[in-house]
Amino acid sequence: KAGVTQTPRYLIKTRGQQVTLSCSPISGHRSVSWYQQTPGQGLQFLFEYFSETQRNKGNFPGRFSGRQFSNSRSEMNVSTLELGDSALYLCASSLVSYTGELFFGEGSRLTVL
Amino acid sequence: GQQVMQIPQYQHVQEGEDFTTYCNSSTTLSNIQWYKQRPGGHPVFLIQLVKSGEVKKQKRLTFQFGEAKKNSSLHITATQTTDVGTYFCAGPAGATNKLIFGTGTLLAVQP
Repeated sequence: KAGVTQTPRYLIKTRGQQVTLSCSPISGHRSVSWYQQTPGQGLQFLFEYFSETQRNKGNFPGRFSGRQFSNSRSEMNVSTLELGDSALYLCASSLVSYTGELFFGEGSRLTVL
Repeated sequence: GQQVMQIPQYQHVQEGEDFTTYCNSSTTLSNIQWYKQRPGGHPVFLIQLVKSGEVKKQKRLTFQFGEAKKNSSLHITATQTTDVGTYFCAGPAGATNKLIFGTGTLLAVQP
């Protein structure tokens, strides 16, 4: 069974640009959640999607958005990038709820210059 | 806001020594999960505890959920070099059920 796949793995952007990250969950998993990991703030919850609907959202500005497609694949977008957005963005999938066992992808490491 | 603190932030042990990390939440958690993240890797699920006072064991690892469901601990007996990594607790907290991760404990094991 394939794991959670995130693309791209690494990317470099400049301030003001936008970025789109992609996540393919484990087959059959309907919940996809996103997290930002930085050395200073640790792992922080961004949002969770289930059946194409955002069910919960963390405390991030509106520049951070996401969506989920009918095949459960998810994308997150960050617009008007700031230096502080440099982080490892992790996607996790779960069978039903993001408050259960999470299967994480390897992450997308974003560097903003 | 809701916080989940872990102590210690970092621990360095000799191989064979025991290790414990503690997780303390400012609010009651409906359940608690533990994850391990190896250096350069991604978090991997270890276990979930649901009941007040619950204790679960996985080989050398013992997990405990506090009676008030606001704290938890992970104890590793006789550490091995393969135990190196950061251990995170996480739980859904408050009315919004948002998942909050602990600050993590980085374990270094010297052979």
